[in-house]
Amino acid sequence: DGGITQSPKYLFRKEGQNVTLSCEQNLNHDAMYWYRQDPGQGLRLIYYSQIVNDFQKGDIAEGYSVSREKKESFPLTVTSAQKNPTAFYLCASTGRRNEQFFGPGTRLTVL
Amino acid sequence: AQSVTQPDIHITVSEGASLELRCNYSYGATPYLFWYVQSPGQGLQLLLKYFSGDTLVQGIKGFEAEFKRSQSSFNLRKPSVHWSDAAEYFCAVGYWSSGGYQKVTFGTGTKLQVIP
Repeated sequence: DGGITQSPKYLFRKEGQNVTLSCEQNLNHDAMYWYRQDPGQGLRLIYYSQIVNDFQKGDIAEGYSVSREKKESFPLTVTSAQKNPTAFYLCASTGRRNEQFFGPGTRLTVL
Repeated sequence: AQSVTQPDIHITVSEGASLELRCNYSYGATPYLFWYVQSPGQGLQLLLKYFSGDTLVQGIKGFEAEFKRSQSSFNLRKPSVHWSDAAEYFCAVGYWSSGGYQKVTFGTGTKLQVIP
């Protein structure tokens, strides 16, 4: 079945530690996205990538980094510079008419 | 700039009652419009989409939505709500940015509670 996978489902980070969230898709989509979700704030765009080796900052990119070395993969690194990283992180890819397909999410908690 | 407004943060309906969730958008051109549903701790699932043509679109789980250009609205409806419909619902508008990127703007969501 085609879809998007995210791992891990739960992640715990210590202060000052970098962590990487995985996102893989087998939908053959070019565009991929990372969103952060906090209660009552909807989805906020962190980074997006239209093609391999290209990515753009979204609305809240500070403290995050990404790479896009393969079409299928778009990992997100939450760096120690992100002061309030506890949130639910969603990865998505986009079809031809901008309909987005989401992974199951990763919940990150800072200890 | 494009935006999506969902004026109702929280809605409670009785099981079997009808449902309408409101969505208003702001976008200069003909929009791509979507409704998504999210259960707690899960990703978002696409319920339905509007690209062009018939303004009444049918989706999964018995949901439908009507695009009204004059009102810039895309309200979601269901004639009879089931307890399993309790979730958070997001309206969204898809567009192409000035740099040629595909982007989507989401509303802040409406939480639906279903009471027996």
